[in-house]
Amino acid sequence: AQSVTQPDIHITVSEGASLELRCNYSYGATPYLFWYVQSPGQGLQLLLKYFSGDTLVQGIKGFEAEFKRSQSSFNLRKPSVHWSDAAEYFCAVGALTGGGNKLTFGTGTQLKVEL
Amino acid sequence: DGGITQSPKYLFRKEGQNVTLSCEQNLNHDAMYWYRQDPGQGLRLIYYSQIVNDFQKGDIAEGYSVSREKKESFPLTVTSAQKNPTAFYLCASSIPGSTGWRNTEAFFGQGTRLTVV
Repeated sequence: AQSVTQPDIHITVSEGASLELRCNYSYGATPYLFWYVQSPGQGLQLLLKYFSGDTLVQGIKGFEAEFKRSQSSFNLRKPSVHWSDAAEYFCAVGALTGGGNKLTFGTGTQLKVEL
Repeated sequence: DGGITQSPKYLFRKEGQNVTLSCEQNLNHDAMYWYRQDPGQGLRLIYYSQIVNDFQKGDIAEGYSVSREKKESFPLTVTSAQKNPTAFYLCASSIPGSTGWRNTEAFFGQGTRLTVV
């Protein structure tokens, strides 16, 4: 079965500093990987996704992520964080199971931005 | 505007009562999903449906039931058998339903917060 690990529960960065959120996945086949962001009390918004090809993918709001098969990782990065980036971030792996498409999420990383 | 509508936004339930959470989408998506979110536990899959009149149990289906009579609707009932129902519930949809994630992503509603009083 597929699984996702986000080892950092909380991260605090200063505005303007760089950011890296870690994600490790477990899946036996080609992984379909996603990063979502959630503001308090809201639904999830897709930041970026990886299916195949170039291992560095660009997303919205200046985010990027790098897929490393050898490390089973899909870390999210941003060169310069803005105060509005404070939110919770979820990594997810998509799988095709006997019951159809299934999306499994990590436990999330809460990002706090200090001004 | 196309999207996913969850209602109500806030719901209060007395212990022992069943309650139904609504999820409607006008995106013409085949697949629909229900997730439960608790602090520190991320999103856990309750039920998912790839096509009308068919649905599958997710990882935490006990105490919940669903139906998929129409493509655009996927209501979730939280039954009295669910011992700890207080949580944030999220509905999502995607296309297509059963051919992998290559050409799709999950779109989410704004959630329903259920509280047992």
